[in-house]
This record gives sequence, structure tokens and C-alpha cells, in this order.
Amino acid sequence: GENVEQHPSTLSVQEGDSAVIKCTYSDSASNYFPWYKQELGKRPQLIIDIRSNVGEKKDQRIAVTLNKTAKHFSLHITETQPEDSAVYFCAASNRDDKIIFGKGTRLHILP
Amino acid sequence: KAGVTQTPRYLIKTRGQQVTLSCSPISGHRSVSWYQQTPGQGLQFLFEYFSETQRNKGNFPGRFSGRQFSNSRSEMNVSTLELGDSALYLCASSLALGTGSYTFGSGTRLTVV
Repeated sequence: GENVEQHPSTLSVQEGDSAVIKCTYSDSASNYFPWYKQELGKRPQLIIDIRSNVGEKKDQRIAVTLNKTAKHFSLHITETQPEDSAVYFCAASNRDDKIIFGKGTRLHILP
Repeated sequence: KAGVTQTPRYLIKTRGQQVTLSCSPISGHRSVSWYQQTPGQGLQFLFEYFSETQRNKGNFPGRFSGRQFSNSRSEMNVSTLELGDSALYLCASSLALGTGSYTFGSGTRLTVV
């Protein structure tokens, strides 16, 4: 079956510290892994994505790593700021090109 | 360019009624996907349309249906509404199936009473 597991469901970090969110997927044919950020009352927005031919991608304070052998990928946010508070969703494409989302991680940045 | 437009933004219906939601994708985007968002369940895939054809379908009952028109606009319909159908329904458009990134609309918040 197709499944994307995401952990933790809630994460609190001190402002300035790093945050890591982890996801695993089940479909070995998955080849596209986007991450979305959803602020309270707003639509999800793509923040970074990675394809299966790349192991790591970085964009300023955010980075994503992919381990295809273990079927897991992670989002790393460094030097966290108050505006990073949101719900983050990982996702993976399946063999039918369907995008399957994890259940989300609520990130709280503590002052 | 204009983003993804969903109408209406809010809807209140009673059990047993049916509802139609509309989504206009970004100009040039031919793929439209629909997701149901509820607290604790994240984003659950409903279906995806590309070039007027349903390409993928999620694990929802047959009461949930959709279609896509030649101008790529899409509608989804829910018949015989149940209380559990109360959710935020999001549509997302992309250039291609599964290989591009999504742009989401603001969603339609459906409340079934």
C-alpha cells in the first residue's frame, strides 16, 4: 500500500535552535518529495522539494535530506525564527504519480 | 498571474444534501487535485484530474465525485452529505501529474449540520 508516516506530530524548539522533522514512505517507486508549510488559516505552500536522484538540497535555513535505501527523508530548519511556527507536511509521489501527504507536524518556536 | 481560485470559501449544508465545489487552476496548469483536510488527519487525497480525465482516485466513498472541464477548471461534488464530511476541501494545481509542485487554493470550508 501507499503510506507516508511523519514524526513528530508536535515539535517545540527554542528560537534560534534547529528543528528536524522526519518522514518515511512505503512505495519504492516514489521519486518526488515535496515539503509544504501551512500557517494558521492559510493554504499550504511549497517550501522545498527533492527528487530521488539527489541526496540533499538546501535553501537558506531549510534543507531536506533523502535516503532512498531506507525510504526516509527529513526536513531541517536551522536558526529557527518565530515566523517558522506553522504546520509542516511532507509528501511523496507514488507509482501512479499521486502525491501522498503525511499527517503533519505542528512546529512551535518558543521565545 | 492569478493563483488557484476556489469557490465558495464557506458553505453550510444539512445532512443528506449535496454540494458542488469549484476550483480554477493557475492559467496553463492542466492538473487539478483535490484534498480533504481535517484536524489530525492531515491532507487526504480525493482525486486528480488531468486533461479532463480522472487519473487517480483516493479511498473515499462513491458519494465523492468530480470532473474537469476543457478549460482545466474542476468541480467536486459530494452527495448525501454526512456530518463527517465537514472539512476544509483544498484544490491544488500543477503543470503535470506527480512531477511538479502544487499551488493550493485557499480552500472551501464545508460544515455539515
